[in-house]
Amino acid sequence: QVQLQESGPGLVKPSQTLSLTCTVSGGSISSDGYFWTWIRQHPGKGLEWIGFIHSRGDTQYNPSLKSRITISADTSKNQFSLNLSSVTAADTAVYYCASGLGYSSGWNSWGQGALVTVSS
Amino acid sequence: DIQMTQSPSSVSAIVGDRVTITCRASQGISRWLAWYQQKPGKAPKLLISIASSLQSGVPSRFSGSGSGTDFTLTINNLQPEDFATYYCQQANSLPLTFGGGTNVEIK
Repeated sequence: QVQLQESGPGLVKPSQTLSLTCTVSGGSISSDGYFWTWIRQHPGKGLEWIGFIHSRGDTQYNPSLKSRITISADTSKNQFSLNLSSVTAADTAVYYCASGLGYSSGWNSWGQGALVTVSS
Repeated sequence: DIQMTQSPSSVSAIVGDRVTITCRASQGISRWLAWYQQKPGKAPKLLISIASSLQSGVPSRFSGSGSGTDFTLTINNLQPEDFATYYCQQANSLPLTFGGGTNVEIK
């Protein structure tokens, strides 16, 4: 299994863009068939899928967030990133990056999570 | 979107108990269901995929069953390290969606 590590600001002001990066080690984000995803968890709540990027570069987003999300990959750095624009307090959450071989087979590698607070 | 409903939302049990958690999908998802375990302050851990396929390293006291709309996670001989929150997730169609979680707590 690969190892994943989220990084980025822990505090973002309302209306600004939340940007997080997931660094992958122990494997390549270009490995055929792999999906690289972002999932968030509001404080004390359940899990919400944000979107994923496939090893070929295709992306899929949760329609509830689609207008504000961009997920991209940097193969040279073996990283993938999340940008969430126009944030509000409702975007305060722990953000996880995760991966799996085929999105129907579950996410078997996870980062430790990054708490992002939206506040002025 | 496919809604995933877990029950119960919380269960109290003692070591050695058998615990059963159910997950119901709002429409048929074949066997495209995963189960995760999450402990406080930690990332979820994949236990079971495709309804009943146990992940490598997961103890055999965990088992999953079901297809279509109704699924079950069973924990036999509950161990102290099994006290956690469990989530189901459908992987049949986008957007991927999770159940609300079941907290397995010590009685």
